Amino acid sequence: DAGITQSPRHKVTETGTPVTLRCHQTENHRYMYWYRQDPGHGLRLIHYSYGVKDTDKGEVSDGYSVSRSKTEDFLLTLESATSSQTSVYFCATKTGTLTYEQYFGPGTRLTVT
Amino acid sequence: EDQVTQSPEALRLQEGESSSLNCSYTVSGLRGLFWYRQDPGKGPEFLFTLYSAGEEKEKERLKATLTKKESFLHITAPKPEDSATYLCAVPQGGSEKLVFGKGTKLTVNP
Repeated sequence: DAGITQSPRHKVTETGTPVTLRCHQTENHRYMYWYRQDPGHGLRLIHYSYGVKDTDKGEVSDGYSVSRSKTEDFLLTLESATSSQTSVYFCATKTGTLTYEQYFGPGTRLTVT
Repeated sequence: EDQVTQSPEALRLQEGESSSLNCSYTVSGLRGLFWYRQDPGKGPEFLFTLYSAGEEKEKERLKATLTKKESFLHITAPKPEDSATYLCAVPQGGSEKLVFGKGTKLTVNP
């Protein structure tokens, strides 16, 4: 158990509305990641953070922004949700730079109608 | 470009019927290969890390092996509770990011 919680766990929203997903960890891990998982595509990295206020883009970052104001929280915002952003979103953490395995949260299922 | 390819996409076994899942990778400077298990509606659960060719790791009915180009996840005498999607991943060269394969969905019938 990596001590990761995600909220909300399920959300239905309308096209064009902003949405924020939260990832909270209790292990004081430096690195945090946001992925989306879709059938046929597997897990794809959206954004990641390597410290407070330090973030970088992943392979599918368009339409998403992130913020990390404290170690334990990493927020993912869909600025104006589209139907193509309907997906399952997972947060993950990694302890430090000497290890590379990541540990995942339970996921948030987001539906954009 | 770093890539991870898993095969087969889906595998159906009868309980007790042993088999293997494959993960082939292309990455410069391997810094580990990771296997995960994912149950429906849940996040991936970390299983193993392999670092060098010839290395093996075991957990219950699962054994992971690594060569210079691929990894195998051997499942011995599987049970229905082994049904899940199995993912493999490698660190992307020069970064703190992982590249994931698309997974193998394993179904074990009683």
